[in-house]
Amino acid sequence: EDKVVQSPLSLVVHEGDTVTLNCSYEVTNFRSLLWYKQEKKAPTFLFMLTSSGIEKKSGRLSSILDKKELFSILNITATQTGDSAVYLCAGVNDMRFGAGTRLTVKP
Amino acid sequence: SQTIHQWPATLVQPVGSPLSLECTVEGTSNPNLYWYRQAAGRGLQLLFYSVGIGQISSEVPQNLSASRPQDRQFILSSKKLLLSDSGFYLCAWSADRGAQPQHFGDGTRLSIL
Repeated sequence: EDKVVQSPLSLVVHEGDTVTLNCSYEVTNFRSLLWYKQEKKAPTFLFMLTSSGIEKKSGRLSSILDKKELFSILNITATQTGDSAVYLCAGVNDMRFGAGTRLTVKP
Repeated sequence: SQTIHQWPATLVQPVGSPLSLECTVEGTSNPNLYWYRQAAGRGLQLLFYSVGIGQISSEVPQNLSASRPQDRQFILSSKKLLLSDSGFYLCAWSADRGAQPQHFGDGTRLSIL
């Protein structure tokens, strides 16, 4: 059965810290891996990763995929309180989501 | 640009009552449509997805059903709600399953009493 596992489940850091969130997957007919940020309501799209070893970057956030080892990481540098959220990853073929990592950034 | 509408935002229903949640997408045609449920503090569980009118795939056997009467309309229903149906329900669309990211509606928070 396909599965996506995220770690850690929760994380508390202080502003300015750098964090790394992990996502491992076992997905049949894998096509891509997606990262989302969820605050109060709808998850918002962050990154879509299809190729191994190519870093995607958006401001202080970056992500990379390792298709050989079947995992992805999401890095956030110089964290801010506005980064507090649940971060979700999903393995596609069938959009199977992990349980999420709840990140809390303290001032 | 494409938008997705989901309503209502919150709903409180008694056990045994019926349910109908609606989701519509604007600005695109033939979208892939999805219903998810998110229990408190948990990830998203895929309930149903649809690649076209009248085409529904169910991921988990349950008390719920889905229908797609029009190209950009996706409805989640139940004839008799259970306490375990409580949760946060999200509708999403994508242009191409797997090759394009999903975009989510704002969700419906359903409480069963």
